[in-house]
Amino acid sequence: GEDVEQSLFLSVREGDSSVINCTYTDSSSTYLYWYKQEPGAGLQLLTYIFSNMDMKQDQRLTVLLNKKDKHLSLRIADTQTGDSAIYFCAEWLGTGGSYIPTFGRGTSLIVHP
Amino acid sequence: DGGITQSPKYLFRKEGQNVTLSCEQNLNHDAMYWYRQDPGQGLRLIYYSQIVNDFQKGDIAEGYSVSREKKESFPLTVTSAQKNPTAFYLCASSTQDRGVINEQFFGPGTRLTVL
Repeated sequence: GEDVEQSLFLSVREGDSSVINCTYTDSSSTYLYWYKQEPGAGLQLLTYIFSNMDMKQDQRLTVLLNKKDKHLSLRIADTQTGDSAIYFCAEWLGTGGSYIPTFGRGTSLIVHP
Repeated sequence: DGGITQSPKYLFRKEGQNVTLSCEQNLNHDAMYWYRQDPGQGLRLIYYSQIVNDFQKGDIAEGYSVSREKKESFPLTVTSAQKNPTAFYLCASSTQDRGVINEQFFGPGTRLTVL
C-alpha cells in the first residue's frame, strides 16, 4: 500500500531556514501532524494542521498543506543547533474499523555552524 | 504530572530469553501502542490496543505479545521467537476520537540489546 513519504536527511547551516517535506496517503485525513524526536528520547508533538487550512504559523514554524497533491511541509526559520533532531510527519488512517496513526520514516535534520 | 512512563530505559537480554517491557500512562487514554524503531526505518507498529482487554496486531507483531488488563498498562513481551530483537522500543497513548486532534504521547523509550 501507499506509505507516508519523507526524505531521510536534511543538512542546513545555523541561521538558515529548513524545509522538511512529506507526502501523505489519505486525502480525507482531518489532521496532519509533525513530531520531533531528540536523540534517545520519545517523540513530541511539534505542531499540527487541520485539513481545511493551507498554512499554519507558530513562532519559527510554518506548516504548508497542499491537499490536491497530498503534500505537507514544515519550515523552520532561523534554524538553531538545538533543532537538530528527527522530524516525523503523521496522519491518522481508518482501516478495518480501527483508527490509527501512520508515520513517515522521519527526516534527520542536521544543523551545522 | 500526567504522562507515560516506560521502564527500564536500557535492557540487556541473553539470546533465547523472553523479556517484558513496561508501559504505564495516567492520561486516561483509551488507546495504547507499541512501536519499534531501527535506524533509518522510522516507527513500525507492533501492537495496539483501543480498549481494555482488546488489542490488535500491527505491521510487525511476530515474536511479540501484549496484554491490556488495565487501562493504564500495556506491557510488551519480546519472546525468543523474535529474530532481531535489538532495537529501541517506544510506547505511546492517545485518544481515539475521529475528527479531533489525536495527539499521541510517547514514553521515553526502552533500548533493548540482545547479547
